[in-house]
Amino acid sequence: EAGVAQSPRYKIIEKRQSVAFWCNPISGHATLYWYQQILGQGPKLLIQFQNNGVVDDSQLPKDRFSAERLKGVDSTLKIQPAKLEDSAVYLCASSLRRFRPATNEKLFFGSGTQLSVL
Amino acid sequence: DAKTTQPTSMDCAEGRAANLPCNHSTISGNEYVYWYRQIHSQGPQYIIHGLKNNETNEMASLIITEDRKSSTLILPHATLRDTAVYYCIVRRYSRETSGSRLTFGEGTQLTVNP
Repeated sequence: EAGVAQSPRYKIIEKRQSVAFWCNPISGHATLYWYQQILGQGPKLLIQFQNNGVVDDSQLPKDRFSAERLKGVDSTLKIQPAKLEDSAVYLCASSLRRFRPATNEKLFFGSGTQLSVL
Repeated sequence: DAKTTQPTSMDCAEGRAANLPCNHSTISGNEYVYWYRQIHSQGPQYIIHGLKNNETNEMASLIITEDRKSSTLILPHATLRDTAVYYCIVRRYSRETSGSRLTFGEGTQLTVNP
């Protein structure tokens, strides 16, 4: 079974530039998550999709971050404009549940995109 | 948001059991305890989860105390490849979103030594 695919693996940009990350979840997985992991910290949830609808974006900095999940499959996360503090690993995860996300399901993570903002 | 407490780091000898503790004293009755681990440069990997009873799978065992305020993850025969950050997480239901959020803390860095 193929895992969660993310690209690019690494990205280096200058501050105030824009950047986009792509995620392809495991086939059939209805729920998709984007997490931000700053060096030395645990991952922090940015946004959660159920099919192509947003379930939770309460921790997404909406002035500069945006995400979409067209057709309920692939997703892109964009930062515009980037700041120095956005340097982090951006992780995508997916889980199977087709309806309301439950408290007893597992998440499968990709390897992430490491972003460096100079 | 993350209401778990774990030691910052632990060491274990290769071949021995690794016992990783976690306190979650504010856990509610319907909230599950999850364990994930993150090997360097990889995304987190699911290990095991449980509600009340002890659980075992091919990777590990999870022991949850009767009052559910703490748990222990047991790797029965640790190998060098088990060196990773281990996260204990209580998965909480969110009324605001009608969903559940997996909130990571800072975890325990387990180092398995030869």
